[in-house]
Amino acid sequence: QQQVKQSPQSLIVQKGGISIINCAYENTAFDYFPWYQQFPGKGPALLIAIRPDVSEKKEGRFTISFNKSAKQFSLHIMDSQPGDSATYFCAARSRNFNKFYFGSGTKLNVKP
Amino acid sequence: SAVISQKPSRDICQRGTSLTIQCQVDSQVTMMFWYRQQPGQSLTLIATANQGSEATYESGFVIDKFPISRPNLTFSTLTVSNMSPEDSSIYLCSVGRTVNTEAFFGQGTRLTVV
Repeated sequence: QQQVKQSPQSLIVQKGGISIINCAYENTAFDYFPWYQQFPGKGPALLIAIRPDVSEKKEGRFTISFNKSAKQFSLHIMDSQPGDSATYFCAARSRNFNKFYFGSGTKLNVKP
Repeated sequence: SAVISQKPSRDICQRGTSLTIQCQVDSQVTMMFWYRQQPGQSLTLIATANQGSEATYESGFVIDKFPISRPNLTFSTLTVSNMSPEDSSIYLCSVGRTVNTEAFFGQGTRLTVV
């Protein structure tokens, strides 16, 4: 059973557009929700993260929106650039065991 | 963040052999994890490497197949034993400075078993 469900699987956005990736979870023991960016041949790099006591966090062009009651969170990339083309993973950490569970990934392609 | 070095970065191995992957961190960390990422797939946790004690394995992963060592707070190894083509994956080391902090990843080891 997948602990964190991520959609869409792939996304094509025009340069300057907004990219939106969604994730959902069921386990209420999750207490930390990071997003990772992965380029081909590289390990995942921490992009931005949020804790459930906050509804939104913004860092530059990247924003996480968090809906605790719906158990959903999303990543918004404003003014998307070709350099943002990568695979994005959402994740959730289990408070009880300090383990991370990852979504299935979204391959983003930003067209010039 | 932490600087994480994984060796080797890639390898091609014969089936039936074993490969040991090293993970070195530039500073002491409490948490170290090993993940597997199959081509085009998400990350699956193999085990938590515990310093001074046996690793904690996730369902579907066993010590005989994936023995792990963690002799100190900056170093760990993962061995992929008796390899088959199904073991072809990227293996990633991840660390967290303390409990309940961010997790950072190494560059990964791309393993191909032929």
